[in-house]
Amino acid sequence: DAGVIQSPRHEVTEMGQEVTLRCKPISGHDYLFWYRQTMMRGLELLIYFNNNVPIDDSGMPEDRFSAKMPNASFSTLKIQPSEPRDSAVYFCASSPRGATHQPQHFGDGTRLSIL
Amino acid sequence: RKEVEQDPGPFNVPEGATVAFNCTYSNSASQSFFWYRQDCRKEPKLLMSVYSSGNEDGRFTAQLNRASQYISLLIRDSKLSDSATYLCVFTGNQFYFGTGTSLTVIP
Repeated sequence: DAGVIQSPRHEVTEMGQEVTLRCKPISGHDYLFWYRQTMMRGLELLIYFNNNVPIDDSGMPEDRFSAKMPNASFSTLKIQPSEPRDSAVYFCASSPRGATHQPQHFGDGTRLSIL
Repeated sequence: RKEVEQDPGPFNVPEGATVAFNCTYSNSASQSFFWYRQDCRKEPKLLMSVYSSGNEDGRFTAQLNRASQYISLLIRDSKLSDSATYLCVFTGNQFYFGTGTSLTVIP
């Protein structure tokens, strides 16, 4: 079975550029989560969706960050304009119905470096 | 107060040793509890769920203490392959991850 698929695996770009991260959740999973992980702050929840609808975006750090889920099989996290402090590993995760009682399955992550 | 408090370690133990981690949570309404394992430069993966009565999976034992609001993970007969970061997770309205405890098992 295919797991959560993220792309790209690595992204290196210059400050000020737009960055788009992509995620395909596990088929049939109703919940999709975007996380950011750094050494200093650990794993932080940015936003999560239920049935393609954003439920909680309180973790989105600034207006420079936006996320969409146009359908059940695709989500994007966009940073515009990007800054060096956005450098981190960004994970997408999905879980089935009843997410708060079900474990999440993570993608391989996108390692983002902003120069 | 943080939602989740976890000793970051690092824990360095010899092969065959028994090691235990604790993790405390602040939200008494937390409903589900998990331990995840994360290898270096990899994604977190579910290690085991934590049930109210405690549960065991091979060398791993997880326990929940609702009165004191913590969960624990015990690893017996440590293997080199157990070296990783262990993340505790609590749920309420969303998932709350601990910052992880680093374990290195030494030959």
